[in-house]
Amino acid sequence: ELKVEQNPLFLSMQEGKNYTIYCNYSTTSDRLYWYRQDPGKSLESLFVLLSNGAVKQEGRLMASLDTKARLSTLHITAAVHDLSATYFCAVDMEETSGSRLTFGEGTQLTVNP
Amino acid sequence: ETGVTQTPRHLVMGMTNKKSLKCEQHLGHNAMYWYKQSAKKPLELMFVYNFKEQTENNSVPSRFSPECPNSSHLFLHLHTLQPEDSALYLCASSPMRGDEYEQYFGPGTRLTVT
Repeated sequence: ELKVEQNPLFLSMQEGKNYTIYCNYSTTSDRLYWYRQDPGKSLESLFVLLSNGAVKQEGRLMASLDTKARLSTLHITAAVHDLSATYFCAVDMEETSGSRLTFGEGTQLTVNP
Repeated sequence: ETGVTQTPRHLVMGMTNKKSLKCEQHLGHNAMYWYKQSAKKPLELMFVYNFKEQTENNSVPSRFSPECPNSSHLFLHLHTLQPEDSALYLCASSPMRGDEYEQYFGPGTRLTVT
């Protein structure tokens, strides 16, 4: 059974600081997604990482994937209040019949002024 | 309408009621999914449909009954639910061609069972 673990689960940080969220998973996969969820809202896709060594950046967020270590990171640079949300990683055990996502528990990020 | 839509957005039902959740995708995808998101738990995959055929039932109780009449519509029929079924129910869709498996999520239905 695939397990996906995120840490930390709760993160409170000050504006302007940097931090990294980690996503570890238990079986081989080279397809990983990061999603953002605001309270009461649906999931918004942030990054799609499709190969070992993939790195993607959007604004203050940067995601990377190391398939050999079974690890993905989401790095936050110079955090701002608008980044407060819950961030999920999801690992795709794709099959011929399509996508199968297993989600981590989520990291609840609060950015304080 | 664009993307993935879900109705209703909020639903309160008693344990003896029967109701249905509806999902529609306007993205031309061939796969659709139901997820359950409970407080303090990761999203749980419930059902998967590919080209209208159910390809996965993740040990979901029979009080949840999915229906996929075509590739654009997905329903979740609910009957005799329990209070622990209260959750956010999310629908998603994805393509099934090549490497384009990214799932796109709807806004969800917040279900409360009283």
